[in-house]
Amino acid sequence: DAKTTQPTSMDCAEGRAANLPCNHSTISGNEYVYWYRQIHSQGPQYIIHGLKNNETNEMASLIITEDRKSSTLILPHATLRDTAVYYCIVRLHNTDKLIFGTGTRLQVFP
Amino acid sequence: ETGVTQTPRHLVMGMTNKKSLKCEQHLGHNAMYWYKQSAKKPLELMFVYSLEERVENNSVPSRFSPECPNSSHLFLHLHTLQPEDSALYLCASSQDPANTEAFFGQGTRLTVV
Repeated sequence: DAKTTQPTSMDCAEGRAANLPCNHSTISGNEYVYWYRQIHSQGPQYIIHGLKNNETNEMASLIITEDRKSSTLILPHATLRDTAVYYCIVRLHNTDKLIFGTGTRLQVFP
Repeated sequence: ETGVTQTPRHLVMGMTNKKSLKCEQHLGHNAMYWYKQSAKKPLELMFVYSLEERVENNSVPSRFSPECPNSSHLFLHLHTLQPEDSALYLCASSQDPANTEAFFGQGTRLTVV
């Protein structure tokens, strides 16, 4: 079973920041937080991952709370092409399992 | 283009047919995976291969038979499927099973009639 809880859906205006929350209250000390997204009719795409510290790459930023029980994925300037289902996943760094939940369906509107 | 190519993109088969799904990765990865995505359900991990050896089989029925002849190719052989097996079948690869980033193909949309 997925170890994360995400809102079913969210809307965001184009050009604004999209902040997608994720709760993972049972996360253990050696588990990482990963984010993937799946655009309609495509396979999932890796976005970012982190353990304790906040992370940033060319796609997004990941903010993890100090107690690590929740995190937020930030798309700083959402575009229409960012419309997708976003999956927050908790996994051990040295395991092969990516367990997907139901994710958050983000709709970016003009 | 993720470097993982799946064929065919769409497949319709009868319950008595035998067909195969193909996955090829051009990334030099050593681990490959099959996932199933049914309508309204999360992705389900089916099989994991590491260096051509199957390392995980998540209680998948025997009518699904994977094959990994080399580290670049992965097949899923299908026979006597049921209508409830209709789904999007996704292949993925990563540098190794412990790698952080998995690359997914576009999937094969399978319909069993």
